[in-house]
Amino acid sequence: DSGVTQTPKHLITATGQRVTLRCSPRSGDLSVYWYQQSLDQGLQFLIQYYNGEERAKGNILERFSAQQFPDLHSELNLSSLELGDSALYFCASSSQGWPGNTIYFGEGSWLTVV
Amino acid sequence: TQLLEQSPQFLSIQEGENLTVYCNSSSVFSSLQWYRQEPGEGPVLLVTVVTGGEVKKLKRLTFQFGDARKDSSLHITAAQPGDTGLYLCAGSGSSNTGKLIFGQGTTLQVKP
Repeated sequence: DSGVTQTPKHLITATGQRVTLRCSPRSGDLSVYWYQQSLDQGLQFLIQYYNGEERAKGNILERFSAQQFPDLHSELNLSSLELGDSALYFCASSSQGWPGNTIYFGEGSWLTVV
Repeated sequence: TQLLEQSPQFLSIQEGENLTVYCNSSSVFSSLQWYRQEPGEGPVLLVTVVTGGEVKKLKRLTFQFGDARKDSSLHITAAQPGDTGLYLCAGSGSSNTGKLIFGQGTTLQVKP
């Protein structure tokens, strides 16, 4: 158990819909990351937050957005869903947001778009 | 754009054999990490290497960071069925963030 909690674990939704994935980081961790894992793309960095502010942005689509709240939990919002958005979405956290920090991953949220 | 290429993508070996997984890039990384991921779970950190030429050992696993900090290898001695899983290398760039660039992964199957 990494201490990072993600909900829901599995989600099936239709194209065009919107979903929200939730993440609670490890106690005391200030930085939260979102990654997408698919068979063809592997693990891709989406976005990083540090203490409520966006720190880094990766290949995140405009249809996706995220935020980190004052209690440090984070949400990833995916809208106008397409079949290609089906993937495993991981949240991860680290104590700080610097290179070399140990990053702990949650168990992921499986999203299936039908 | 920083990219990490892992090889081989798939490896199926018998228990007791040795193996090496490679992670290569044309870019320099400030640090490189190796993760292991099992089905239904998130990646779990095995090791972080920071210094060029650094070698770290974790029981039967030996990790090496290239002198130029562009490549790394993972060597497993006398593989066991419990080593089965997806091995991922991930590089941390020079940017002031914790962002990681992941390789495509190596799926290892160790047969008893």
